[in-house]
Amino acid sequence: QKEVEQNSGPLSVPEGAIASLNCTYSDRVSQSFFWYRQYSGKSPELIMSIYSNGDKEDGRFTAQLNKASQYVSLLIRDSQPSDSATYLCAVTRYSGAGSYQLTFGKGTKLSVIP
Amino acid sequence: DGGITQSPKYLFRKEGQNVTLSCEQNLNHDAMYWYRQDPGQGLRLIYYSQIVNDFQKGDIAEGYSVSREKKESFPLTVTSAQKNPTAFYLCASSRTSGRGSSYNEQFFGPGTRLTVL
Repeated sequence: QKEVEQNSGPLSVPEGAIASLNCTYSDRVSQSFFWYRQYSGKSPELIMSIYSNGDKEDGRFTAQLNKASQYVSLLIRDSQPSDSATYLCAVTRYSGAGSYQLTFGKGTKLSVIP
Repeated sequence: DGGITQSPKYLFRKEGQNVTLSCEQNLNHDAMYWYRQDPGQGLRLIYYSQIVNDFQKGDIAEGYSVSREKKESFPLTVTSAQKNPTAFYLCASSRTSGRGSSYNEQFFGPGTRLTVL
């Protein structure tokens, strides 16, 4: 069973600090990696995608990928109370017949304290 | 205004009853998916469809059925065989489900909360 592991949290950071969210995965051949933000009672929203080793920055968000260590992370700079949500890590897995699906972690709950 | 719509937002089912959840997208995406989310759990794949008139079982398909007669629509039926159907149901779509980096990006509808009475 291919797995995606995340620390469930809650992770509490003060407003303005850097929040660091981590994810490990077991399938060595995974090629695509995604971070979703999910507010309480709402559906997941895609916030970052990363496909190659290294860093990818988009505004206050930076995704980091290390395929050798099977590790992907999300950094949120200048954290705001509005960033308080559960962050889901998702990784592609091959499901046969040329089709790739996503395996989701259980999510890390982030709380940004004003 | 492109997006994915799901209806109803809330649904209540009596024991032994079949119910159908609607999912429509106008993103011109080929692939569509149904997930189930339970409290404190990750998303689990129920069914997916790569193209019209084709669909595949996901990890937890027992007690569910789907159809894909139109590209835009992928309804999910929760049958009486599903013993624990109370959950948050999420529909998603992507350009394809093949290997292709951004083509795998999945976008979600607002979800349907199903409660068994």
